[in-house]
Amino acid sequence: EDQVTQSPEALRLQEGESSSLNCSYTVSGLRGLFWYRQDPGKGPEFLFTLYSAGEEKEKERLKATLTKKESFLHITAPKPEDSATYLCAVQAPGDYKLSFGAGTTVTVRA
Amino acid sequence: GAVVSQHPSRVICKSGTSVKIECRSLDFQATTMFWYRQFPKQSLMLMATSNEGSKATYEQGVEKDKFLINHASLTLSTLTVTSAHPEDSSFYICSGSEIGGSDEQFFGPGTRLTVL
Repeated sequence: EDQVTQSPEALRLQEGESSSLNCSYTVSGLRGLFWYRQDPGKGPEFLFTLYSAGEEKEKERLKATLTKKESFLHITAPKPEDSATYLCAVQAPGDYKLSFGAGTTVTVRA
Repeated sequence: GAVVSQHPSRVICKSGTSVKIECRSLDFQATTMFWYRQFPKQSLMLMATSNEGSKATYEQGVEKDKFLINHASLTLSTLTVTSAHPEDSSFYICSGSEIGGSDEQFFGPGTRLTVL
């Protein structure tokens, strides 16, 4: 069974204080690893898909990286509007289902 | 990104009644739609995968007779919670994957169900 573990559970940052979120996974092969952002009471918003070790993707203050066992989401110089829960999910080969981690709730204080 | 809508956004019902939730892909055709449930402070748990024109595939532990899923067209899937009970109160979220597109799923805004 696919397992996705995210850490830390919660992260409180000062505006401008860069940090990283971790997503470790165990899956028999990896079709893709996905990062989503979820605001309270809303559905997840797609951020990135990573397919192979060494791949990196960036979007504004966010950068996602992937190794064979884990992924990191780096938040550079965060702003209060980056406050959200960040979810990581994996997809196994031949399967379109997503297995989600529990998420990291990021709070950025001005 | 592609847009998915859900209706209603929130619903309150009495115990024992049935509730239908609609999920629509607004600007793309979704061969496959997924239904998730999310309890407070927890992550999304997949309930079932629905393919247009065929029966849904339910995850282990999800009662197919209680959570009826219909995917009648490439842009509409419905989830009916039958004989709802307070323990069914949750946040229900659907997603769709685009035909011939990449692997990402596009999520709806969710439906908050409260069963009294």
